[in-house]
Amino acid sequence: GIQVEQSPPDLILQEGANSTLRCNFSDSVNNLQWFHQNPWGQLINLFYIPSGTKQNGRLSATTVATERYSLLYISSSQTTDSGVYFCAVLNYGGSQGNLIFGKGTKLSVKP
Amino acid sequence: DVKVTQSSRYLVKRTGEKVFLECVQDMDHENMFWYRQDPGLGLRLIYFSYDVKMKEKGDIPEGYSVSREKKERFSLILESASTNQTSMYLCASSLVGGGTQYFGPGTRLLVL
Repeated sequence: GIQVEQSPPDLILQEGANSTLRCNFSDSVNNLQWFHQNPWGQLINLFYIPSGTKQNGRLSATTVATERYSLLYISSSQTTDSGVYFCAVLNYGGSQGNLIFGKGTKLSVKP
Repeated sequence: DVKVTQSSRYLVKRTGEKVFLECVQDMDHENMFWYRQDPGLGLRLIYFSYDVKMKEKGDIPEGYSVSREKKERFSLILESASTNQTSMYLCASSLVGGGTQYFGPGTRLLVL
């Protein structure tokens, strides 16, 4: 099946710094989502981005489907950005909305 | 806004007990999902349902069953709980065709 790899696995930033998280996937996809899991376990939707670029405040994401990767940019990081960021993809030909998750990037933002 | 709710945030059960985890969504989504999340293993799909009374096995269905009698409600059942089912359980829903999935707050289950 499709493989999803995220990097880096862990990231420590000083408040105010910028960062880029990467998601590589091994096959064509028709759905890619970025999530933030907060310290209480809640998965929060950040972006639905099978291709192109989207921005939402300090966060933006770019997916280059032909090259099978997606990037999540966090600018001017804040301590509330801490948590785990997941990329998840839906493979072409997969059953109804069956997402496959990467292992996540654990982000710690220090004050 | 889509709202997905789960019946409990924390549960403690004994080995051999029958456990019910319930999930309700309020956006008339056709698809509903149950995942478990474990350290080092990420999120793995247990079961999903694309319509009332319809279900499909995910990657790790062993030891679990599901029920979907109404469109808005999807239940995960542990017929006889075991310690290796101690985990975080997450429910999600989406429209038909694989659109954005929305997650509930999760249930942390401890089986003693």
